[in-house]
Parts: sequence; C-alpha cells; structure tokens
Amino acid sequence: GENVEQHPSTLSVQEGDSAVIKCTYSDSASNYFPWYKQELGKRPQLIIDIRSNVGEKKDQRIAVTLNKTAKHFSLHITETQPEDSAVYFCAAMDTGRRALTFGSGTRLQVQP
Amino acid sequence: DVKVTQSSRYLVKRTGEKVFLECVQDMDHENMFWYRQDPGLGLRLIYFSYDVKMKEKGDIPEGYSVSREKKERFSLILESASTNQTSMYLCASSSTTGLGDTEAFFGQGTRLTVV
Repeated sequence: GENVEQHPSTLSVQEGDSAVIKCTYSDSASNYFPWYKQELGKRPQLIIDIRSNVGEKKDQRIAVTLNKTAKHFSLHITETQPEDSAVYFCAAMDTGRRALTFGSGTRLQVQP
Repeated sequence: DVKVTQSSRYLVKRTGEKVFLECVQDMDHENMFWYRQDPGLGLRLIYFSYDVKMKEKGDIPEGYSVSREKKERFSLILESASTNQTSMYLCASSSTTGLGDTEAFFGQGTRLTVV
C-alpha cells in the first residue's frame, strides 16, 4: 500500500517569512495529492490539491509542487501570517484503493 | 455547504463495551471513510466504503467494524473497546467524478476515551 512521509514535524517561522513542508510517497500509481490544514480543535480542511498531470499549482500565498519522478511533493506558504499557524497534513491517493493516505503532520507556528 | 456530522463530540466508555460512532453526510457522496488521529501519527485509515453495503479494510482495521446500510450514513463499531482505542475519530466523505476522486470533507471528530 501507499506510504507517505512528511517533514518537518514542527516548523517555526517569523511572520512574513516563507514556510516549506515536504512529503514523499511510495506508490507510483498515486495521482491525487491534497493538503489539509487543521486549526486547533477543528476539522481538517482542504487548502490546495494537485493531480499527477501537473507539476505546480498556486492559490494566492499557497503553492504546491509535485515531482513524480522523485515521488515527492511540497507545500509552500509565502508571506506567512499568524493565522497560518496550524497543523498541516499532506496526503496521497492511489488509483487502486481510492482512499487517502496521510502524512504524520507538520505543526506550523508563525511568530508575530 | 457540505456537512459531515458525527453523532458525538466526546464519548467516555468502559473497557469491553461495544461502541457505536455514527456519521452522516448530506452531499450524496459515494465514498465514506473512518480515520483515527493520534499525535505524531497523522490520520490513519480504519475502514472505508464506496457504496451502500460495501466496505473495505484500511490500514488499521483490527478491533473495528463498520456498517453502511444507507448512502448517507457510515457507522464505526468498536466490538469490545480497549484503552488503546482512546483517540480522536474522524469521518470523511467524498465523491468520484470523471476527473477522478475529489476533496474529502471531514466531520468535526469524536474524542473517545476508554477507561
């Protein structure tokens, strides 16, 4: 089955700096890679996703890149703000099982 | 607005009890999932279902079963609760389109404590 590894487990940045979270996956059949943000006490919510037919996707301050050859994908947050503080999860979906496998999460703290 | 609703926010149960966690979605989604969330381990898939009366084992199905009698409802059952099943349980649903699988929407979670 799919295995997703996520790094770092914690990340602290100053407000206005950029943050990068990296994930690797094991199953070359995976074709859908979403990122979820979970604020304290709340449910995970999708912030951006990418499919295997594209290499990069942007949405305002958030971008995701995908390298299928190396089987890794990354989340980039620019101009971080205190409200970006949360736990972020990457995930991958393989075509065989059609269920998301999640990484272990990254706790991002943006210092004002 | 998509809604995935879990029946309880907090539950406290005794060891050996049979526990039912209920999840209902209102978007006519085909796919439903149960995950458990533990610190440092992320979200781990317990069971999932593509359709009514269908179920598939996830990565950690031991000690759990599921029921999907109606499309909108997916129940997680702990046959005999144990203390190592103390966790946050998250239900999710999604649909499958011609482009592939789509965003999974999560419920608010059930914090289960087994004493």
